[in-house]
Amino acid sequence: DAGVTQSPTHLIKTRGQQVTLRCSPKSGHDTVSWYQQALGQGPQFIFQYYEEEERQRGNFPDRFSGHQFPNYSSELNVNALLLGDSALYLCASSNSYEQFFGPGTRLTVL
Amino acid sequence: AQSVTQPDIHITVSEGASLELRCNYSYGATPYLFWYVQSPGQGLQLLLKYFSGDTLVQGIKGFEAEFKRSQSSFNLRKPSVHWSDAAEYFCAVVPVMEYGNKLVFGAGTILRVKS
Repeated sequence: DAGVTQSPTHLIKTRGQQVTLRCSPKSGHDTVSWYQQALGQGPQFIFQYYEEEERQRGNFPDRFSGHQFPNYSSELNVNALLLGDSALYLCASSNSYEQFFGPGTRLTVL
Repeated sequence: AQSVTQPDIHITVSEGASLELRCNYSYGATPYLFWYVQSPGQGLQLLLKYFSGDTLVQGIKGFEAEFKRSQSSFNLRKPSVHWSDAAEYFCAVVPVMEYGNKLVFGAGTILRVKS
């Protein structure tokens, strides 16, 4: 079992650009959640997808959007990047209340 | 306000000593409770979880946690710390009165182990 995978591992963008991060869930999982972890902080919930619909959303602006595909994989899109968007972006998958995390994508905005 | 609090930002213990990391939550209904560990630059690994039942739960790597409803606490313990336990530890909850299973995390406690 490959577990939760994320791509890319690292990414460098400049302010104003757009970025897409990708996540493949653990086999048998149908729910994908995205979290943002700024340096020195705990992860903050962005949103969760279930059955290709956004089921829950945290306190993030509309610049953050996502998608879930029929195979349960997911994308996180961030438009009009700000310096403050620099963080580790974590994807987690689940089919119950227990979530399994991927290694994350480190996004640096210059 | 609903929140998860980890009062200790850093803790340093000697190898072989016991460890207790504190976690308090503020929710009207007892949430589902979790402890995760994160090594530098890595994702999060689940150590243990509590949904209901026995208030002392056993996890991986020799960790345990005790749920105390009266104190709204879910403290993590280990009888004897190993150097490989040095990492950041996060307490997290799933609020049970919400649709979905989003995790709400504390700010984390960085554990340093001295030899």
